[in-house]
Amino acid sequence: GNSVTQMEGPVTLSEEAFLTINCTYTATGYPSLFWYVQYPGEGLQLLLKATKADDKGSNKGFEATYRKETTSFHLEKGSVQVSDSAVYFCALSDRTGANSKLTFGKGITLSVRP
Amino acid sequence: GAGVSQSPSNKVTEKGKDVELRCDPISGHTALYWYRQSLGQGLEFLIYFQGNSAPDKSGLPSDRFSAERTGGSVSTLTIQRTQQEDSAVYLCASSLGQVNTGELFFGEGSRLTVL
Repeated sequence: GNSVTQMEGPVTLSEEAFLTINCTYTATGYPSLFWYVQYPGEGLQLLLKATKADDKGSNKGFEATYRKETTSFHLEKGSVQVSDSAVYFCALSDRTGANSKLTFGKGITLSVRP
Repeated sequence: GAGVSQSPSNKVTEKGKDVELRCDPISGHTALYWYRQSLGQGLEFLIYFQGNSAPDKSGLPSDRFSAERTGGSVSTLTIQRTQQEDSAVYLCASSLGQVNTGELFFGEGSRLTVL
């Protein structure tokens, strides 16, 4: 079955540090890949997505590239801000199935210190 | 508001009681999802509705859990004879169509505590 593996957390960084959050996946078919973010006290929201190999999703300074050869979708940001403190979830959907749903990783908490 | 609305936001109940959690999706969204978020477990898929039918209910953990959707809109998740392990945040999400191309819009969740 489909699964998503995220690196263990939590992660604490100083403001302006470089961020990488690892995500690898196992899927049948040819999934679309997503990063969702949950800010404190808010619902999950889509951060970025990629629907085919070598696509790069980007939003709010975050980027992730769909790497089919390594089955990865690592999230990166060159300079984090305090406002980026949140829980980040990697997810995939299987496009071959009629029943579409997202499979999520366990999430990782990011704290950014001023 | 225009977002996904869930109620109650917090529910404390005693073991053995039944609870109902409500989700009001974004108007016009045909797909509706229930997930459960437990500490350290990430998001666990429960059930998916397309319109009023549920083509995938594979994530419901036991027959104590059921869900329905009426009028292609509001959905209710019912947990009968609650157990302490049911304590979690129950998240509802909706989307316009196939999630593999679109995005899910999540509510803020209903936090359930079973004493």
